[in-house]
Amino acid sequence: GAGVSQTPSNKVTEKGKYVELRCDPISGHTALYWYRQSLGQGPEFLIYFQGTGAADDSGLPNDRFFAVRPEGSVSTLKIQRTERGDSAVYLCASSVTGDGEKFFGPGTRLTVL
Amino acid sequence: GQQLNQSPQSMFIQEGEDVSMNCTSSSIFNTWLWYKQDPGEGPVLLIALYKAGELTSNGRLTAQFGITRKDSFLNISASIPSDVGIYFCAGRISNTGNQFYFGTGTSLTVIP
Repeated sequence: GAGVSQTPSNKVTEKGKYVELRCDPISGHTALYWYRQSLGQGPEFLIYFQGTGAADDSGLPNDRFFAVRPEGSVSTLKIQRTERGDSAVYLCASSVTGDGEKFFGPGTRLTVL
Repeated sequence: GQQLNQSPQSMFIQEGEDVSMNCTSSSIFNTWLWYKQDPGEGPVLLIALYKAGELTSNGRLTAQFGITRKDSFLNISASIPSDVGIYFCAGRISNTGNQFYFGTGTSLTVIP
């Protein structure tokens, strides 16, 4: 069975550009999470989806960050007008239910030049 | 956000030695989790703790939920080379839904 997959694995962009990061959760998992992990730090919560709706987006740092999950499976994290400080590994996780064990993907390493 | 202090920051040990690491918080948590992360991978859950005082084992790993609910400990017995990686604690405050706060990690190196 496939785990959580994330694409691309690496993304290099220039300051000011727009990027999209994709997460394919484990089939049947209703809960999906996005985290950001800076070098030498633990993952930092960004947003949690239950089905198609964002149940908790309190971790999004500002309005340049937005995420969608239109059909309750695949999710896309969108970052507008990227800044060098956005450089980090963006992790996605899914769980069967909101209280279930989270399974993490390998992450997308974003580098903003 | 909440800050979890994890110590030590790094450890270098000989194969076969036991390892202890801990995590403390300024807030009371109702759930503690311990994860291991290998390079280029996402964290993998090792142990979950749900009650104050709870002591749970997973093979050579043992973790405890502190009585004050502000700390947790992870012990690894008889370390082996594949234990190398970064260990993270994570905790949840009851009124923050599914938001877990992660510690800064303990990097473990096992010398064969």
